[in-house]
Amino acid sequence: EIVMTQSPATLSVSPGERATLSCRASQSIRSKLAWYQQKPGQAPRLLVYGASTRATGIPAKFSGSGSGTEFTLTISSLQSEDFAVYYCQQYNNWPPLTFGGGTKVEIK
Amino acid sequence: EVQLVQSGAEVKKPGESLKISCTGSGYSFATYWIAWVRQMPGKGLEWMGITYPGGSDTRYSPSFQGQVTISVDRSINTAYLQWSSLKASDTAMYYCARIATMAPDHHAFDLWGQGTMVTVFS
Repeated sequence: EIVMTQSPATLSVSPGERATLSCRASQSIRSKLAWYQQKPGQAPRLLVYGASTRATGIPAKFSGSGSGTEFTLTISSLQSEDFAVYYCQQYNNWPPLTFGGGTKVEIK
Repeated sequence: EVQLVQSGAEVKKPGESLKISCTGSGYSFATYWIAWVRQMPGKGLEWMGITYPGGSDTRYSPSFQGQVTISVDRSINTAYLQWSSLKASDTAMYYCARIATMAPDHHAFDLWGQGTMVTVFS
């Protein structure tokens, strides 16, 4: 089974700065990766699919990249509403549809 | 409005049974897979299983196979997640989510229910 590993577990960033989140797959998943944002008390929200395509209504400040086993989500100019937990998920030959452990982006 | 609406919070005792629901509206319920996702308190997301309302095909994560049952009633656009004997370790928020084909050969959980909190304690 494919294991998804996110790093770091917690990322402290000052407002206005950029955050770079990493996600690694235990084997190649091509570009079959999605990113989700979850704020406290809310359901997750889809940000990116296909490793780099933003979902409808997602601002350009969210940028995904990578393929194979290494992926990155970059959030530029962090604002208060961007502080949340971010999850990656692989969907190569699903099921399974494995999530990473999450990265919490907190205010520095 | 396109939405998934889940049943309300539940408080149960160990050994009791439970069935929670997820009702879709505003879209063709039968043509999208529905997934169930567990989130234990303070923890991450875990995929539990999926079901296809249009064909009654259901698949489980190995971690949840035999622990829960996923079903669907297509006539009322509702998917279910049920336990026959709850444990304290089943205490968690449970989400349903729609799996959409975002592009050829690309899928994602594009629509989520609001979550159902299940608390199990004696």
